Amino acid sequence: DAGVIQSPRHEVTEMGQEVTLRCKPISGHNSLFWYRQTMMRGLELLIYFNNNVPIDDSGMPEDRFSAKMPNASFSTLKIQPSEPRDSAVYFCASSLMGTGNSPLHFGNGTRLTVT
Amino acid sequence: QQQVKQSPQSLIVQKGGISIINCAYENTAFDYFPWYQQFPGKGPALLIAIRPDVSEKKEGRFTISFNKSAKQFSLHIMDSQPGDSATYFCAASSGNTGKLIFGQGTTLQVKP
Repeated sequence: DAGVIQSPRHEVTEMGQEVTLRCKPISGHNSLFWYRQTMMRGLELLIYFNNNVPIDDSGMPEDRFSAKMPNASFSTLKIQPSEPRDSAVYFCASSLMGTGNSPLHFGNGTRLTVT
Repeated sequence: QQQVKQSPQSLIVQKGGISIINCAYENTAFDYFPWYQQFPGKGPALLIAIRPDVSEKKEGRFTISFNKSAKQFSLHIMDSQPGDSATYFCAASSGNTGKLIFGQGTTLQVKP
């Protein structure tokens, strides 16, 4: 199994530009999570999906952030327009829920720098 | 407020020593307490986890101690090795949502 695949690994963009982060979860997993990691705030849950349906987006900072999961094998996190304070490492994780507390499997993240 | 507090922020231990990281939680509905290990440039990976119906769980050199009445749990790394140098996160969740609330993380350095 290739694990959770995120792209790009690094993204540098200018303030005001649109940024799209991509995630391919582990095949067969039915839940997908987007986390953001910063030194100040640690790991924050932004949104999670179950069976491609957004369940909890209370962690999404503001309307500039949006996430979609059009099918079981792909999700995107979009920031439009981006701001310097969005600079962070964004992680996608997947799990198989419904079978007890299945562990989250994280990708290696996308390091976003907004200048 | 759902929150998990972790300490210390950083820890330096000599090779062969015991590393201890502590976490406290507020929400009594939490029923799953995992620890994740993260190396630079990588995503966090599950290390060990415990449910509140047991007070201790051991896997190799890693042990979780759980105190339900105090709402605290800790990770003990016995015979710490330089390869254990990483950032460790405690976390908690309730029900079967998989929605993990993470502590702030502890950066562990094991000196040879």
